[in-house]
Amino acid sequence: EAQVTQNPRYLITVTGKKLTVTCSQNMNHEYMSWYRQDPGLGLRQIYYSMNVEVTDKGDVPEGYKVSRKEKRNFPLILESPSPNQTSLYFCASASGPEGTQYFGPGTRLLVL
Amino acid sequence: QKEVEQNSGPLSVPEGAIASLNCTYSDRVSQSFFWYRQYSGKSPELIMSIYSNGDKEDGRFTAQLNKASQYVSLLIRDSQPSDSATYLCAVPQGGSEKLVFGKGTKLTVNP
Repeated sequence: EAQVTQNPRYLITVTGKKLTVTCSQNMNHEYMSWYRQDPGLGLRQIYYSMNVEVTDKGDVPEGYKVSRKEKRNFPLILESPSPNQTSLYFCASASGPEGTQYFGPGTRLLVL
Repeated sequence: QKEVEQNSGPLSVPEGAIASLNCTYSDRVSQSFFWYRQYSGKSPELIMSIYSNGDKEDGRFTAQLNKASQYVSLLIRDSQPSDSATYLCAVPQGGSEKLVFGKGTKLTVNP
């Protein structure tokens, strides 16, 4: 089954404690993205990657890091989480930015 | 900063009516446009894409694109309660690989 998986689905952490949210896709897609979704602000792109070892900033990259060492995986790293990073996070993959975006199930993060 | 704007909503229509959702974009170079549907607590899923000026129909859904006016809309005919969701307009930005979403319009179809 074609899918995008994210782990964990729910996470409660404390300010400053490094965390990683994993994302994996099995569709051999070149393009992968991370988004955060906040009430009233919609879905905002954090980082995207066009291919292995190629990543670039989206509209809200501050406080986040990503890596793309393998085509299928695109982890999101919060080195020092802060409460303003409390949000719902989605990973997505596609053939490109103009292709159908396939979203993971979401990760709900609470930073205390 | 390229913008994608949607009518703020929420939008409420009776069952069987036509729901009209609108989106404007600022990037004149953009060539493709997408409508995603997101049910509460779920991930967005693609319902329509459109690339050329005019109308594109798929079942009860029609996407309309006017590049001169930088406007794309989604019409849902014979609205059903199951269409109740948030609808997101998405526009890849010309000259980059960024994808920008509008803030979404929440649609409620009342039985």
